[in-house]
Amino acid sequence: DVKVTQSSRYLVKRTGEKVFLECVQDMDHENMFWYRQDPGLGLRLIYFSYDVKMKEKGDIPEGYSVSREKKERFSLILESASTNQTSMYLCAITVGRSGNTIYFGEGSWLTVV
Amino acid sequence: GENVEQHPSTLSVQEGDSAVIKCTYSDSASNYFPWYKQELGKGPQLIIDIRSNVGEKKDQRIAVTLNKTAKHFSLHITETQPEDSAVYFCAAGRNTGKLIFGQGTTLQVKP
Repeated sequence: DVKVTQSSRYLVKRTGEKVFLECVQDMDHENMFWYRQDPGLGLRLIYFSYDVKMKEKGDIPEGYSVSREKKERFSLILESASTNQTSMYLCAITVGRSGNTIYFGEGSWLTVV
Repeated sequence: GENVEQHPSTLSVQEGDSAVIKCTYSDSASNYFPWYKQELGKGPQLIIDIRSNVGEKKDQRIAVTLNKTAKHFSLHITETQPEDSAVYFCAAGRNTGKLIFGQGTTLQVKP
């Protein structure tokens, strides 16, 4: 089974704090993604990475950065958290030769107060 | 930019009835169309997908149809059960792993 692990399920942070969301996969997959999910907006792509030390902006990268120092770990960083970043964050990987099939982690609920 | 429109946003059916959710996409180069089911407090789970070289795919009570000319695809759930209650997302994408998601449909199956 494909396993995508987001270690922090629920976080409450203060405005201005630096926040790290970690994602780990156990199957040596190259492609990893960070999405955020908001009611009525569906899932929106923040950043993705096709390999170690590689990163590309998604549709809504503003206010976020990422780090991929090891193949199995992809971190999402909020340099200075703001209340409009309160959301559900989902990490995902792609599986398969065509690279389409996406598998998600369980999500990290972040509240910024 | 590219987008995917999903309707309806909420759907309530009686147990045993069928449920249909529809999506339209704008990127004519899209060739992969998955559907995800998300239960409360969990991440989305892939339930069925279809590629552009076929028009229909079925897996037990779930089926997906694709009309590439019209750029729309649909999820059909037959003989609905209470455990089908969840949020369903459609998505469309190319062979890059990047998907554009619909806004989601909250399905409620009433016993």
